[in-house]
Amino acid sequence: RKEVEQDPGPFNVPEGATVAFNCTYSNSASQSFFWYRQDCRKEPKLLMSVYSSGNEDGRFTAQLNRASQYISLLIRDSKLSDSATYLCVVIPYNAGNMLTFGGGTRLMVKP
Amino acid sequence: ETGVTQSPTHLIKTRGQQVTLRCSSQSGHNTVSWYQQALGQGPQFIFQYYREEENGRGNFPPRFSGLQFPNYSSELNVNALELDDSALYLCASSAGSGEKLFFGSGTQLSVL
Repeated sequence: RKEVEQDPGPFNVPEGATVAFNCTYSNSASQSFFWYRQDCRKEPKLLMSVYSSGNEDGRFTAQLNRASQYISLLIRDSKLSDSATYLCVVIPYNAGNMLTFGGGTRLMVKP
Repeated sequence: ETGVTQSPTHLIKTRGQQVTLRCSSQSGHNTVSWYQQALGQGPQFIFQYYREEENGRGNFPPRFSGLQFPNYSSELNVNALELDDSALYLCASSAGSGEKLFFGSGTQLSVL
């Protein structure tokens, strides 16, 4: 079983749609959680951290459920520029900043 | 721009050859991490260097090795290249283990 699992997609949605991605992780001792965005064959870029209380950044909302070992990302009012691969990232306890990435979920937003 | 530069941007090698990839970290950063990203997959952690010492390693064979220099730049060396080593190799630097990572734009390695 992979340490971090994501539905690879692709998710094809029209502009303005709301889309949600999910991610599960296997290490219950994981301490930090993030969503990264990656455009085609470029470097991953930090989108947002994920906190137990849930957090929002504009159109993006992230949630963490430690009991179920589950992370989500919600994108409202999708834009064409949101088309990318979204990577779920987990840092196990005591692993400093050594990131464990999921396989990524590809999003395509269409006019 | 993150201030992390990698060279070369693209590289083609044949099976069995050796390759060296280079990374210049952002000014003031003493920690460098390397990741391998195969097509269609997420990046996989190879190893991390802190102040010229390896301080963490992922599930990669010994033919993947690295160095960090006194100026905190780094090299990734891969010996006896295999076809499955074809991937995007990403370098990331940080001001310490536990600090935010800044990724370079990667080196695309093709092994034929």
